[in-house]
Amino acid sequence: NAGVMQNPRHLVRRRGQEARLRCSPMKGHSHVYWYRQLPEEGLKFMVYLQKENIIDESGMPKERFSAEFPKEGPSILRIQQVVRGDSAAYFCASSQEAPANTGELFFGEGSRLTVL
Amino acid sequence: ILNVEQSPQSLHVQEGDSTNFTCSFPSSNFYALHWYRWETAKSPEALFVMTLNGDEKKKGRISATLNTKEGYSYLYIKGSQPEDSATYLCAFDTGNQFYFGTGTSLTVIP
Repeated sequence: NAGVMQNPRHLVRRRGQEARLRCSPMKGHSHVYWYRQLPEEGLKFMVYLQKENIIDESGMPKERFSAEFPKEGPSILRIQQVVRGDSAAYFCASSQEAPANTGELFFGEGSRLTVL
Repeated sequence: ILNVEQSPQSLHVQEGDSTNFTCSFPSSNFYALHWYRWETAKSPEALFVMTLNGDEKKKGRISATLNTKEGYSYLYIKGSQPEDSATYLCAFDTGNQFYFGTGTSLTVIP
């Protein structure tokens, strides 16, 4: 039973380019969360999605960042016109149940974005 | 923004020593408290989830306690082994969202 799969594991972009990070949740999980870890900081919540719906995007920067979780396929975190401050590790987690049921989060190994 | 603090930030102990560290969180909007173990280059793995004040959970040599009234949880490791070296994260769960601390980095010296 495969865990949460993220790709790419490492991504290098130049300023102004776009970054797309993909996350396939665990089989049977319909809840996906994206977190960002900046250097020397903890995991910061970005967005919580269910299939085809954004449930909570309160942690997403207002500009350049977007996320989706289509009916078919992985969840995608998209960063347009990347800047150096976007360099971070982006972690995806999935759960079978909603947080209100203390659904346990299962994490991927992260995608490390470096912006040159 | 909810503040979840963990202390110490890092810790070095000798093999065989017992150790503990703290997670502090708000005493309001509490739904659950989660502990995760995060080894370098791997993904965080769930250790415990605690929901009730006074909860104590144990898994092998690792145990955790919870005090929701004063807003803290302790994680204990008895007889530390080198394989316990990792970052230990706590996450405050409001029922809608998880707020993570910055972690305690534990290094067990053989």
